[in-house]
Amino acid sequence: GAVVSQHPSRVICKSGTSVKIECRSLDFQATTMFWYRQFPKQSLMLMATSNEGSKATYEQGVEKDKFLINHASLTLSTLTVTSAHPEDSSFYICSARALTGGGEAFFGQGTRLTVV
Amino acid sequence: DAKTTQPPSMDCAEGRAANLPCNHSTISGNEYVYWYRQIHSQGPQYIIHGLKNNETNEMASLIITEDRKSSTLILPHATLRDTAVYYCIVLQLYNFNKFYFGSGTKLNVKP
Repeated sequence: GAVVSQHPSRVICKSGTSVKIECRSLDFQATTMFWYRQFPKQSLMLMATSNEGSKATYEQGVEKDKFLINHASLTLSTLTVTSAHPEDSSFYICSARALTGGGEAFFGQGTRLTVV
Repeated sequence: DAKTTQPPSMDCAEGRAANLPCNHSTISGNEYVYWYRQIHSQGPQYIIHGLKNNETNEMASLIITEDRKSSTLILPHATLRDTAVYYCIVLQLYNFNKFYFGSGTKLNVKP
C-alpha cells in the first residue's frame, strides 16, 4: 500500500527551542494531510488539516502560532513546534489520503517529541 | 467529534477469533466504515473498509449490519502480535474532510 514517511521518529529538545517534523507521501500525491497529537494512553487528537498551497485549518484550542504547518508541495507537509515547552511533549502523527485506490488514509510512523 | 463508539477493551485467546464491535448509528449513506489498528508507539495501520457489503482481506473480515448502524471486525485467528488498539472510523470515499478518532478498543491477545 501507499507509504507516508515521517521524520524524525524521535527528538529531544530544550525548552524554548523549535522543532520541525516532516511528513512525506512517498508514492502518491496528497493535497490534504492531517496532523494528530497523542498523549499516553489516549486516542489520537486532530490538531490541524494541512492544505497544499493554502493555510492550514486548526482545531479549536490548537494555537496556530505555536504549531506552524506548511504544505509546500503535494508530497510534503511540515509541522513546526515553536518555543517548545515540556507540556508539548507528545507523540505527533501525520496522515494523508490517496486520491486513488480505496481512499483510505495512510499514517506516518509518528514522532516522539520530548521537551526537557 | 468521533461518530463511532467502541468498547474500551477486550480479551481474546491466541488462535481464537477476535470479534470487535463498533457502533456508528449516525452514519450517512455515502460514508464508509474504516478500521485501523495502532500497535504501541506506532502510527495507525489500515486494516479494511466497507460500505454495506461484508468484506474480507488477508488481515480481517468486516461485517456490516443491514441498517449500517454497526459493524464487527473479525480477526479469524488472533496472534499475540494482534495486540493493539483498534479504531473504527466513518469516512466519505475521496472526501478529504477531516476525520476524528474515537477511543478505540484495546485488544489483548493472551497465550
